[in-house]
Amino acid sequence: SQTIHQWPATLVQPVGSPLSLECTVEGTSNPNLYWYRQAAGRGLQLLFYSVGIGQISSEVPQNLSASRPQDRQFILSSKKLLLSDSGFYLCAWSDPVRGVIEKLFFGSGTQLSVL
Amino acid sequence: AQRVTQPEKLLSVFKGAPVELKCNYSYSGSPELFWYVQYSRQRLQLLLRHISRESIKGFTADLNKGETSFHLKKPFAQEEDSAMYYCALSGGGSNYKLTFGKGTLLTVNP
Repeated sequence: SQTIHQWPATLVQPVGSPLSLECTVEGTSNPNLYWYRQAAGRGLQLLFYSVGIGQISSEVPQNLSASRPQDRQFILSSKKLLLSDSGFYLCAWSDPVRGVIEKLFFGSGTQLSVL
Repeated sequence: AQRVTQPEKLLSVFKGAPVELKCNYSYSGSPELFWYVQYSRQRLQLLLRHISRESIKGFTADLNKGETSFHLKKPFAQEEDSAMYYCALSGGGSNYKLTFGKGTLLTVNP
């Protein structure tokens, strides 16, 4: 069966420090991968999505970047964190059968606090 | 651009009462609509999708293209329905973006 792992679960970082959040999927190949941010009162904001290795689409201009170095690995990064980067980050995957989104499977999330 | 609006941040009903969570969308093409749910201490998960025309846990949702709405309904709410509900939209085809609304927190009181 397919599983998605996301870590760390919580992270407290000072302003200006770098960030690396990792997400891996098991049990499937060539998944679509997504990073969302959930902030209070703002719902789920799509940050990045990827349909293949090295293919990253950015939805919101910001202080973050994403990379997909391997088929089932998706990394969210920042060189210098801002206070506004605080939030709950969710990784998700979907199986692009027939080229459409059928169902997103979400990770357990990372609560990032930038102080 | 695709946009999803959930006008109610909070919704509180009593057990056994009907419940309707509102969702309106904006999209120029033919969208695919979904409802996701997050129960306390659980991961966000798919509840239902309009193309399946299914009823899950007693919930149904009908896509109304004229009113650009996809409201989620249940005739008799249960306490275990208390959760955060998100409406989501995809453009379909090769559009891999899934856009979510801000969510509605449903509380079902005993």
